[in-house]
Amino acid sequence: DTGVSQDPRHKITKRGQNVTFRCDPISEHNRLYWYRQTLGQGPEFLTYFQNEAQLEKSRLLSDRFSAERPKGSFSTLEIQRTEQGDSAMYLCASSQTGQRQYFGPGTRLTVT
Amino acid sequence: AQTVTQSQPEMSVQEAETVTLSCTYDTSESDYYLFWYKQPPSRQMILVIRQEAYKQQNATENRFSVNFQKAAKSFSLKISDSQLGDAAMYFCAYRSALPETSGSRLTFGEGTQLTVNP
Repeated sequence: DTGVSQDPRHKITKRGQNVTFRCDPISEHNRLYWYRQTLGQGPEFLTYFQNEAQLEKSRLLSDRFSAERPKGSFSTLEIQRTEQGDSAMYLCASSQTGQRQYFGPGTRLTVT
Repeated sequence: AQTVTQSQPEMSVQEAETVTLSCTYDTSESDYYLFWYKQPPSRQMILVIRQEAYKQQNATENRFSVNFQKAAKSFSLKISDSQLGDAAMYFCAYRSALPETSGSRLTFGEGTQLTVNP
């Protein structure tokens, strides 16, 4: 069990650019979650996958956001045409169905 | 929709003392799970303790225990014999126990920043 990993840990981008984050879950976990955490707030749910299927999306996930988990292993979260309001920590978590979620260290996005 | 409220943005405790962090939640569901997560300055979220709503007995994990009051929708965390390493942001979280497609997301409170003074 090597834990959930995320890459990059930090990303600085200019407004209007596209960014992509990667999450590698714990290998035997079939569920993968994305959350967004702004400074001083608790994480907010964005979306989750069971294997390769995206089963739920929050209304926070605007059409500029897209997430994939093509082979049911790692996942990517892409933000197109970034805005300053997208600046946040993006957290990934994984779990077995119905079990506890294990969180990664997060990717901190700063949009200038 | 479920909501989770933590009314204490900051708390402090002396090393070796006991501190209680408060959490209230709102739900119309009868079956659910409640959690306390710890987020140290390195920012990786760690599960501290979990409570199933159908269990009347309060969960305990070493120095951490909860006071779960289902009727009052209250879920507080007690940390005994506080240690410097307990300093972190603590989040209360809710998860529905409803079947799969609606039961997976965690809903978090705003967090309580705990300082432990030596």
